[in-house]
Amino acid sequence: AQTVTQSQPEMSVQEAETVTLSCTYDTSESDYYLFWYKQPPSRQMILVIRQEAYKQQNATENRFSVNFQKAAKSFSLKISDSQLGDAAMYFCAYRSLIYNQGGKLIFGQGTELSVKP
Amino acid sequence: NAGVTQTPKFQVLKTGQSMTLQCAQDMNHNSMYWYRQDPGMGLRLIYYSASEGTTDKGEVPNGYNVSRLNKREFSLRLESAAPSQTSVYFCAASSPLHFGNGTRLTVT
Repeated sequence: AQTVTQSQPEMSVQEAETVTLSCTYDTSESDYYLFWYKQPPSRQMILVIRQEAYKQQNATENRFSVNFQKAAKSFSLKISDSQLGDAAMYFCAYRSLIYNQGGKLIFGQGTELSVKP
Repeated sequence: NAGVTQTPKFQVLKTGQSMTLQCAQDMNHNSMYWYRQDPGMGLRLIYYSASEGTTDKGEVPNGYNVSRLNKREFSLRLESAAPSQTSVYFCAASSPLHFGNGTRLTVT
């Protein structure tokens, strides 16, 4: 069974600085998707970025980018030029591409990010 | 376009009471999911439905039942609520997932 681990329960960053959130996962599959979700205090779950395992190029979305290390099974999220609105809980998630897995996501424990003005 | 709508937003139950959480999606997706979120544990899958007429257990199905009424609707039922079911519940559709806004359930 696949597992996702976020070893940093809490992180803090100064406004305008850069922060990296860590995520590791365990799988025997060669193709899969990885995601980062953001959950602000409103409780809404917002997709931040996705990465297909077969793509070597790291995904980027504006100030958000990932460092995908397939061999190391590592998938970190870098937030550049941090803003107060980035304060939230961040979840890393894994999705198998095997059909009978139903497209479900397996989530890590979450990292609470605070942004200091 | 509402996406995924789940009701209610908040609910307080006494131990042993029953309730159904409702979820509906207007995106015509085949797959729907129910997760629970607990501090320090992330989101854990309770049940999912890969298509209309099918349901499968997730990681933490005990104490819950589900119904995929049609393609749009996927409900979660607690037959006899327990304090251990105090949690925030999320319904989601498709993959990557589009989430509802969650239900905060407290069982006293």
